[in-house]
Amino acid sequence: AQSVTQPDIHITVSEGASLELRCNYSYGATPYLFWYVQSPGQGLQLLLKYFSGDTLVQGIKGFEAEFKRSQSSFNLRKPSVHWSDAAEYFCAVGDYGNKLVFGAGTILRVKS
Amino acid sequence: GAGVSQSPSNKVTEKGKDVELRCDPISGHTALYWYRQSLGQGLEFLIYFQGNSAPDKSGLPSDRFSAERTGGSVSTLTIQRTQQEDSAVYLCASGTEETQYFGPGTRLLVL
Repeated sequence: AQSVTQPDIHITVSEGASLELRCNYSYGATPYLFWYVQSPGQGLQLLLKYFSGDTLVQGIKGFEAEFKRSQSSFNLRKPSVHWSDAAEYFCAVGDYGNKLVFGAGTILRVKS
Repeated sequence: GAGVSQSPSNKVTEKGKDVELRCDPISGHTALYWYRQSLGQGLEFLIYFQGNSAPDKSGLPSDRFSAERTGGSVSTLTIQRTQQEDSAVYLCASGTEETQYFGPGTRLLVL
């Protein structure tokens, strides 16, 4: 069965510092991988996705993620965090046309 | 263009009552999904509609939950005889078969 692990429940970074959010997945084939962000009281906004090809994908708001098949990982990164990035981040795995399986989420706090 | 919309945004109901939650997908999207987000369970898949195919109901937690999609567009999620454990945010997503776009959700509170 598919599963996603986000090992960090909370992360706090200083504004302007770099960020890496970890995501590990379990899937029997080549997965479709996603990162979504959720601000309080809001729905999920798609940050970026990986289907195939270049393993480093660029997303919105300056985020990027790297797919590493050997490590079953799809970590999200941002070189310089802004206070507006404070939110909850979800990694998800799915296959073509099918349901998404989400990780438990990582809450990002940004301190000034 | 317009995104996925859901109504109501908030719903408070009494235990045992039925509720209906509505989802208006992005025009042209053939796929529509319902998920539930709760503190204890995280984000869980409920049901998936794709075109005229039979829906994938594998995530519905009990037979009190049902959903329909009329005319390949609007969808309604119905919860009968609500229980306190049904309290959650119900998220709808529409999309292509590759990517899902989420609505703002309906926050359901069962007293």
